[in-house]
Amino acid sequence: AQKITQTQPGMFVQEKEAVTLDCTYDTSDPSYGLFWYKQPSSGEMIFLIYQGSYDQQNATEGRYSLNFQKARKSANLVISASQLGDSAMYFCAMREGTSGTYKYIFGTGTRLKVLA
Amino acid sequence: DTGVSQDPRHKITKRGQNVTFRCDPISEHNRLYWYRQTLGQGPEFLTYFQNEAQLEKSRLLSDRFSAERPKGSFSTLEIQRTEQGDSAMYLCASSKNTGYEQFFGPGTRLTVL
Repeated sequence: AQKITQTQPGMFVQEKEAVTLDCTYDTSDPSYGLFWYKQPSSGEMIFLIYQGSYDQQNATEGRYSLNFQKARKSANLVISASQLGDSAMYFCAMREGTSGTYKYIFGTGTRLKVLA
Repeated sequence: DTGVSQDPRHKITKRGQNVTFRCDPISEHNRLYWYRQTLGQGPEFLTYFQNEAQLEKSRLLSDRFSAERPKGSFSTLEIQRTEQGDSAMYLCASSKNTGYEQFFGPGTRLTVL
């Protein structure tokens, strides 16, 4: 069964430094997508970055990059040059591609606090 | 604003009452999803629509829950005979057929007293 694990309930990072948020996943489907979402205190889920299982290169979107290690089944989010506005909950999610399901499975999240 | 909208944003009800939430997806999006999020947890999938067809339903969705998307546009989620355990944030998301990115609405926070 598909599963997402985020082992860091909370993280602190100093403003302007980089931070890595961990995510491991489990699936038997060879085709899948991995996602990261940000949820500020306002509650709305904001899409950050996507990595397909067949993508050869790690995804990048501005200050966000996804460190995809397929053999280890990990999809860590790296935020470079942290800003105070990055303080939020971050969720890793996965969708299987060929199992016939369209549902997305989310992890339990990591609360990031950026310190001034 | 052309994003996903949800109504109401907050709902307080007494145990045993019925509640209905509405979601308006982004207009060209064929796919619509409902999730439930409790405190300290990630969103949990409830159900999925492709146009007006409900193609997938989670085992979390008991018989008291029903969702519709009658014309393939907006969707409603109804909870009958609410229980305190139904208190949560109910999130709606939509996406294109060809896209992988889901766009989320602001959610409806339900409190059952």
